[in-house]
Amino acid sequence: LAKTTQPISMDSYEGQEVNITCSHNNIATNDYITWYQQFPSQGPRFIIQGYKTKVTNEVASLFIPADRKSSTLSLPRVSLSDTAVYYCLVGDPSGGGADGLTFGKGTHLIIQP
Amino acid sequence: KAGVTQTPRYLIKTRGQQVTLSCSPISGHRSVSWYQQTPGQGLQFLFEYFSETQRNKGNFPGRFSGRQFSNSRSEMNVSTLELGDSALYLCASSLGRIRARETQYFGPGTRLLVL
Repeated sequence: LAKTTQPISMDSYEGQEVNITCSHNNIATNDYITWYQQFPSQGPRFIIQGYKTKVTNEVASLFIPADRKSSTLSLPRVSLSDTAVYYCLVGDPSGGGADGLTFGKGTHLIIQP
Repeated sequence: KAGVTQTPRYLIKTRGQQVTLSCSPISGHRSVSWYQQTPGQGLQFLFEYFSETQRNKGNFPGRFSGRQFSNSRSEMNVSTLELGDSALYLCASSLGRIRARETQYFGPGTRLLVL
């Protein structure tokens, strides 16, 4: 089970681009990287997922270097509503155990006006 | 399509009691997972049910149990409640067995307070 390390908290301002990096030194060949967002008193919400290089959707981009030992979630032009906890998950899509289900403590992102 | 629903949303119990929480997955989803979230431990995996069978289990005592019905709805039971069981209990559903690549859709959670 690949352990992930993220910053506990980050601050930024409206309109800025925010990058949250997750370290996963023990990532396995079959592991995918997934990011979730959670607002207070709500369940986590899927943001983006990738295996290598770069993935982009309408919400965010995910950058994964060639060695895949880290990944960076990029949120363009953040707003106050992006204040939330962001979780990085790493796991094996073919595994039968609890792989990929460890959310960790996440990164508390605070956006200020 | 309706999202994941959980009932009740809030619950207050006393130590020693038991509690049953309910989760209705998104229509067509066959996997239901349960998580416990506390400020100190974060979001922790409890168990996964798929086709009425428990497939995975996290590191929780036997007081925590669950089941899944033929319509994929799931219930979670906690017996002999302890103060430390106070938490937000989240249910998530997915189309197939949960994997890192399978997107999980979470419900709003049930906030349990044990006095």
